[in-house]
Amino acid sequence: DIQMTQSPSSVYASVGDRVTITCRASQQVSSWLAWYQQKPGKAPELLIYSASTLQTGVPSRFSGSGSGTDFTLTITSLQPEDFASYYCQQAVSFPWTFGPGTRLEIK
Amino acid sequence: QVQLQESGPGLVRPSGTLSLTCAVSGGSITNNNWWSWVRQSPGKGLEWIGEINESGSTEYNPSLKSRVTISVDKSKNQFSLKLTAVTAADTAVYYCVRTSSGGNWFGPWGQGTLVTVSS
Repeated sequence: DIQMTQSPSSVYASVGDRVTITCRASQQVSSWLAWYQQKPGKAPELLIYSASTLQTGVPSRFSGSGSGTDFTLTITSLQPEDFASYYCQQAVSFPWTFGPGTRLEIK
Repeated sequence: QVQLQESGPGLVRPSGTLSLTCAVSGGSITNNNWWSWVRQSPGKGLEWIGEINESGSTEYNPSLKSRVTISVDKSKNQFSLKLTAVTAADTAVYYCVRTSSGGNWFGPWGQGTLVTVSS
């Protein structure tokens, strides 16, 4: 299985800040990587796929980059609704696997 | 817009069988997609269980394969999950979700249903 790791596990930030979350795969996944946002008590929602393509309706303050084994999710100018958990997922080989998540909390 | 809704018992006895159904609305289950089950527990985060397509072809997570069966009912536009020999470690929120035909991403998701394994 491809193991996914994320850092940091939690981050504190303020409205208006810029935040970067990193995701690393244990093997090459090319650009077969997705990012999800999950709010408490809700299902995850797809934010970014193919490492850098924004899902329809996702604000442009979200961006993704990377390929191979190292990826980043950047949120510029944090909004109150962005405080949530974020997960990466590799989509190159079975079984599909997720990172452990990064919790973005208000400072 | 496709919507998914899980249903099934919220409590299952240890060694019993967990059975869940996912109703798909707003679109056909036969629309060249795969349909997955994903679960989330505090101890293990998000875990993909398996997926099925309209033809009934399946892929399962090897960690659960011996206990999992996913099936599809095209006439009812739904698919189902059975997990046998459950233990407390199977306590989780279970989500049904569409696996994108374009790239193995997940969305949209059902709201999720909590299944507790306890006597």
